[in-house]
Amino acid sequence: GDSVTQMEGPVTLSEEAFLTINCTYTATGYPSLFWYVQYPGEGLQLLLKATKADDKGSNKGFEATYRKETTSFHLEKGSVQVSDSAVYFCALSDQDGGFKTIFGAGTRLFVKA
Amino acid sequence: NAGVTQTPKFQVLKTGQSMTLQCAQDMNHEYMSWYRQDPGMGLRLIHYSVGAGITDQGEVPNGYNVSRSTTEDFPLRLLSAAPSQTSVYFCASSPTRHRSDEQYFGPGTRLTVT
Repeated sequence: GDSVTQMEGPVTLSEEAFLTINCTYTATGYPSLFWYVQYPGEGLQLLLKATKADDKGSNKGFEATYRKETTSFHLEKGSVQVSDSAVYFCALSDQDGGFKTIFGAGTRLFVKA
Repeated sequence: NAGVTQTPKFQVLKTGQSMTLQCAQDMNHEYMSWYRQDPGMGLRLIHYSVGAGITDQGEVPNGYNVSRSTTEDFPLRLLSAAPSQTSVYFCASSPTRHRSDEQYFGPGTRLTVT
């Protein structure tokens, strides 16, 4: 079945450091890929998405490229801020119907000033 | 737009009690779903609905019921609470059933069953 694997956390970085959170997936079809972010005490919100191979999603300085050949969707940011501290979830949606959205386990990021 | 709203924010139940978690959205979204979030396990789908009057089971439906009598509301019922149902519950909606649609999440309900 479909699955999403993302790197375990927590990840601790200093402000202005480079961030990479790895995400790989297994899917039978042609999924859309998402990164959601969850700030403390809140629900998830969409950070970025990509709907086909080689698409790059970007938002708030974060980027991720849909790599079909390596089945990956790694999240990157060139310079993190304390306000980026949150839990990041990689997800895929593999068929029309939405109910097949599969989430990774989440990666907690701490950014120190 | 209030988006997706959930009540209550926190709830403590005793084993065997029943209760309903409320979820409402004011965006006229077709698709709604309930997830539970447990440490190290991401989000797991409990039930979902593709429109008023239509519901179906997700990955972990046992112990939960849902109904969708209107487009706006999608309550989740715990029939007889068990400690294994201690979790954070999120309701979500999306405009259509298309795989590229993002989901909009409510703020969550933290449930403890003793």
